[in-house]
Amino acid sequence: QQQVKQSPQSLIVQKGGISIINCAYENTAFDYFPWYQQFPGKGPALLIAIRPDVSEKKEGRFTISFNKSAKQFSLHIMDSQPGDSATYFCAASKQVSEGGKLIFGQGTELSVKP
Amino acid sequence: GAGVSQSPSNKVTEKGKDVELRCDPISGHTALYWYRQSLGQGLEFLIYFQGNSAPDKSGLPSDRFSAERTGGSVSTLTIQRTQQEDSAVYLCASSPMGGNTEAFFGQGTRLTVV
Repeated sequence: QQQVKQSPQSLIVQKGGISIINCAYENTAFDYFPWYQQFPGKGPALLIAIRPDVSEKKEGRFTISFNKSAKQFSLHIMDSQPGDSATYFCAASKQVSEGGKLIFGQGTELSVKP
Repeated sequence: GAGVSQSPSNKVTEKGKDVELRCDPISGHTALYWYRQSLGQGLEFLIYFQGNSAPDKSGLPSDRFSAERTGGSVSTLTIQRTQQEDSAVYLCASSPMGGNTEAFFGQGTRLTVV
């Protein structure tokens, strides 16, 4: 099973709040889990990524939590800002065996209200 | 340029016509990917090139779709006999070595089939 399931489809958060986006996967062969941020009219840009040998990775206000046994991972955006309003995609890949081709979730449209 | 460049940025074509979409990857990147982003959908993998290896075409939706990469650099995605369901944003990405390295996306070509 190659699918990656992402929720919610849309999210509205007040400025300063915490945004949480969740993803689940089926294929235990996945070994790389990135999150991409996409603004309208732009291509996706890598935000943060994690490998399954760690349970959490933090970069600034962005944190990935990874639960290998549950086959789930999530993105937390602390102190959300209006500039964070964008579409977020989780993804998974088999970096070594399949050259890093990404299987994406359906995306979450985040709106941060001032 | 420093990033992945795609042309044209927008393309409107009549149903049944052939179209060619171009991607200039970041200089030195050996891996090149094509993805498709349909309205309200996530990103769908189409094809992956790595160096001189045979491409991974497993994501191409039909035999109307083909792609080539000349000289290990520029890539062209060709859609023959376009259909309305081909309308989407076609995104190209490149990475230094494929697996275990970050993929950088271009801004995409928005294709509209009328």
